[in-house]
Amino acid sequence: QSALTQPASVSGSPGQAITISCTGTSSDVGVYNYVSWFQQHPGQAPQLMIYDVNYRPSGVSNRFSGSKSGNTASLTISGLQAEDEADYFCSSFTSTSTPYVFGTGTKVTVL
Amino acid sequence: QVQLVQSGAEVKKPGSSVKISCKASGYDFTTSYIHWMRQAAGQELEWMGIINPSGGTTEYAQKLQGRITVTRDRSTSTVYMELSSLRSEDTAVYYCARGVSGSGNYWGYFDQWGQGTLVTVSS
Repeated sequence: QSALTQPASVSGSPGQAITISCTGTSSDVGVYNYVSWFQQHPGQAPQLMIYDVNYRPSGVSNRFSGSKSGNTASLTISGLQAEDEADYFCSSFTSTSTPYVFGTGTKVTVL
Repeated sequence: QVQLVQSGAEVKKPGSSVKISCKASGYDFTTSYIHWMRQAAGQELEWMGIINPSGGTTEYAQKLQGRITVTRDRSTSTVYMELSSLRSEDTAVYYCARGVSGSGNYWGYFDQWGQGTLVTVSS
């Protein structure tokens, strides 16, 4: 099972919006609405930001939103803030022998 | 609040075993799956296995079958992951995570993670 493909890095200025893509296949992202997004600061545990493609857990800022089109899911961060600087990765349920697959990770830099 | 607290870092010799604990608190331990993942340096996360704390049933990643064992102790709300026949490629940070809102063959999304346990395999 191959990892989901994400851009290695994305950057933006404070207040801007950025979008991170997560490209999978017809065995994972393309067939299930079970895509999640996580934020991870260095040395810390991952934090759930989006689940089931576009649902936000309680406590997560509404500046974070998710979407999906075909085999590609996306995370958009609007009104970029310094505290958003972190690593982000996606995950998806799959129909293969490995039930979950993760993205390659994206480093978000706030300029 | 929901918390998963893992045991501390381990250094192991090739061929030995490691057992990591994940203590849950803040919720009914038997109502949510516990997953195990690992992340080697510079690599993406890898799903390793899952346990249903209620009945103790488990499922493991095919590539780890025969080397991984996940168990739970309901009296202490703790899940254990043991990996045997360690090799250098097993050096990674290991995470437990709670899986919620699963149904059928879907074991939920990961809403809470442990802090991670670094396992170093070196001679």
